[in-house]
Amino acid sequence: ETGVTQTPRHLVMGMTNKKSLKCEQHLGHNAMYWYKQSAKKPLELMFVYSLEERVENNSVPSRFSPECPNSSHLFLHLHTLQPEDSALYLCASSQAASGYEQYFGPGTRLTVT
Amino acid sequence: RKEVEQDPGPFNVPEGATVAFNCTYSNSASQSFFWYRQDCRKEPKLLMSVYSSGNEDGRFTAQLNRASQYISLLIRDSKLSDSATYLCVVNDPGGYNKLIFGAGTRLAVHP
Repeated sequence: ETGVTQTPRHLVMGMTNKKSLKCEQHLGHNAMYWYKQSAKKPLELMFVYSLEERVENNSVPSRFSPECPNSSHLFLHLHTLQPEDSALYLCASSQAASGYEQYFGPGTRLTVT
Repeated sequence: RKEVEQDPGPFNVPEGATVAFNCTYSNSASQSFFWYRQDCRKEPKLLMSVYSSGNEDGRFTAQLNRASQYISLLIRDSKLSDSATYLCVVNDPGGYNKLIFGAGTRLAVHP
């Protein structure tokens, strides 16, 4: 595998379910990101991990819980979501220094019913 | 004022046309600038970085004007495959490698 991979690619879940999104990067990067993209809206940064430490939490509700066990893996744990959380969730990675471009995974398209 | 502003378009152009997109950013301390391309229902992909001296990659030319806080992307000889949304991206100098994405400009190239 090369680049940034995400699983699952599609997810439908009820409001009472618990699920996790997984991201893996094969680029040797040491910073990883979660973004949310709702229909016809710009990307919204959710979380930033740099050298496995969470360095940014962009006022994201606690029903979203990130986990970064090592520099190659990133998870987003979901519980008791709302229908308005339906969106494309994108993972990205980069070098952990300012000014570097980020590379994105294909995303998980989430639908909350 | 939005941190990164772009004309949303859409720009509808025939194949072979030259099209230019503009972008303005609000934080004069930003140091890194990029153009990304996003196809419908896909992830953003890096198109090119933008350097102070301007840079070219085939049919694509990017320019930066720091004094006006303005970035441009010129596409020459448009192809059908260029149809996508083009995102102007600027780094947030106040945080870790945080990028600020514009809402994008949609391009539709028709035969």
